[in-house]
Amino acid sequence: KAGVTQTPRYLIKTRGQQVTLSCSPISGHRSVSWYQQTPGQGLQFLFEYFSETQRNKGNFPGRFSGRQFSNSRSEMNVSTLELGDSALYLCASSLVADSNYGYTFGSGTRLTVV
Amino acid sequence: SQQGEEDPQALSIQEGENATMNCSYKTSINNLQWYRQNSGRGLVHLILIRSNEREKHSGRLRVTLDTSKKSSSLLITASRAADTASYFCATDARYNAGNMLTFGGGTRLMVKP
Repeated sequence: KAGVTQTPRYLIKTRGQQVTLSCSPISGHRSVSWYQQTPGQGLQFLFEYFSETQRNKGNFPGRFSGRQFSNSRSEMNVSTLELGDSALYLCASSLVADSNYGYTFGSGTRLTVV
Repeated sequence: SQQGEEDPQALSIQEGENATMNCSYKTSINNLQWYRQNSGRGLVHLILIRSNEREKHSGRLRVTLDTSKKSSSLLITASRAADTASYFCATDARYNAGNMLTFGGGTRLMVKP
């Protein structure tokens, strides 16, 4: 059974550019959530999608957005990149929109903004 | 912002010893989960304990939850060098409202062979 797949694994972008990250959840999982991990702020929740609808959103500026497709694959987009957006972005999938079932995380996309 | 604080921030032990990590949180929760992360890679789900449970076991792992003190502990028995990693607790304070975990700052565990 394939795990959660995140692409690309590594990315280097210049300030002011935009970036799109992709996450393919485990087959059958309908909930996808995104987290940002930085040395200074730790792991922070970005947003969660379930059946193509954003159910929860963390405390991030509007430059951070996402969407989920009918096949449950999700993308997140960051526009007008800042140096502080350099981070490991993690995607997690869950069978249902209930955390009591636990999460499976992908290996992450490491974004470096220069 | 982080809901939980983990203690200690770093722990170094010898192979075969037990490792105990503690997590405190601030609000009432639905469940508390523990994850492991190796060298900045993805998180691996270890164990989940619900708010109405007090103790749970999984292999060499033992988790306790004290909702009155808003704290949890993770015990790894008979540690191995392969247990070297960062360990995070995460809480979900939302009931039937989707998924949104709040993570602690993590404990860096080093197990020396």
